Amino acid sequence: DTAVSQTPKYLVTQMGNDKSIKCEQNLGHDTMYWYKQDSKKFLKIMFSYNNKELIINETVPNRFSPKSPDKAHLNLHINSLELGDSAVYFCASSQANGGVQYFGPGTRLLVL
Amino acid sequence: EDQVTQSPEALRLQEGESSSLNCSYTVSGLRGLFWYRQDPGKGPEFLFTLYSAGEEKEKERLKATLTKKESFLHITAPKPEDSATYLCAVNPIDTGNQFYFGTGTSLTVIP
Repeated sequence: DTAVSQTPKYLVTQMGNDKSIKCEQNLGHDTMYWYKQDSKKFLKIMFSYNNKELIINETVPNRFSPKSPDKAHLNLHINSLELGDSAVYFCASSQANGGVQYFGPGTRLLVL
Repeated sequence: EDQVTQSPEALRLQEGESSSLNCSYTVSGLRGLFWYRQDPGKGPEFLFTLYSAGEEKEKERLKATLTKKESFLHITAPKPEDSATYLCAVNPIDTGNQFYFGTGTSLTVIP
């Protein structure tokens, strides 16, 4: 029974396209996150949502927009994709702010 | 500036050869320090949380310790299945939901 799931697992697309990544958690957690992991395995937090409210937003280009229809879902929409957006994107959730995070399997995005 | 540094970047051990991984951090105040394991092609998997200096946590062959400036992940008599990247993350006390990850230590255990 998957706790945090993401779709799609792989995403190959052309520069300039718009794409979305979906995330769902069935743990009943209040907080969800999006992370970007680069080719050197460095994980950097992009967004955090608590009870559908954005509580942090790192210096991420506004081409990236998180959308949370309910507390079990946090989707990531990316406009005008650039080569530098190629990375693995992880969704995570935690029971509370600052709590243990449970990660999804990742979405491997390749922009050509 | 809040920072997390892990060393070494890569570590190769013979099966049964114990060693330690280091996570150094500089934050104004620490709410919690987290260790995760990441296997290739998968998301990070939670191992331990430490909250205060002197605290220790153990799980099978792994033991995590915490001081005011660093944390160690001790691996005793490792097995090949312990091969993975080990990530350290800190949650500073005055940043709400901010987490800073280190770049990880890639561990390979040779049979």
